[in-house]
Amino acid sequence: GAVVSQHPSWVICKSGTSVKIECRSLDFQATTMFWYRQFPKQSLMLMATSNEGSKATYEQGVEKDKFLINHASLTLSTLTVTSAHPEDSSFYICSAQPTTDTQYFGPGTRLTVL
Amino acid sequence: SQQGEEDPQALSIQEGENATMNCSYKTSINNLQWYRQNSGRGLVHLILIRSNEREKHSGRLRVTLDTSKKSSSLLITASRAADTASYFCATDGSGGYNKLIFGAGTRLAVHP
Repeated sequence: GAVVSQHPSWVICKSGTSVKIECRSLDFQATTMFWYRQFPKQSLMLMATSNEGSKATYEQGVEKDKFLINHASLTLSTLTVTSAHPEDSSFYICSAQPTTDTQYFGPGTRLTVL
Repeated sequence: SQQGEEDPQALSIQEGENATMNCSYKTSINNLQWYRQNSGRGLVHLILIRSNEREKHSGRLRVTLDTSKKSSSLLITASRAADTASYFCATDGSGGYNKLIFGAGTRLAVHP
């Protein structure tokens, strides 16, 4: 149980385009989902906290107009990277939290912006 | 900003040896968790230890927590090549959403 999926697993796009990444909790409902970013050989940096039915809470330094988050249901959150640029290339990981303390992580999405 | 530091940054051992990784953090916590990440993959939850606990075991894993020193350690006994991965500690931040703040991680390589 407690499986979280992400789609796509990898994506390559041209500079200036927008990319949407989906995060789904497959066998549980998640009131709260989190989005992280990870650069090669570095740790995860929290970008934003997403709550179903309300606006996401962004961490300091994260542009909310650049990284649009929608938590449409208790099993789905989406992250849209708008007008992507090469510096947005990274590994994006989501996590979902049921009622327990534990967060369950998705497999990640590798974004490469050319 | 990251909550804490982990050491060592990289650890290379032989199969059968024990691996110890340390994590320090800066602020008060409710709990501390350890995660494993294989290269280019998502995170797998290993163990959670609460602030009122001092030690916890799960299979070949042993976690200790010293809140007075704001530090934790993860011990993997009788390591296997399949344990090769990066290991991260994560502490919960302030606020009501259990935000996790990750340490820098330790890259463990277990050689057959």
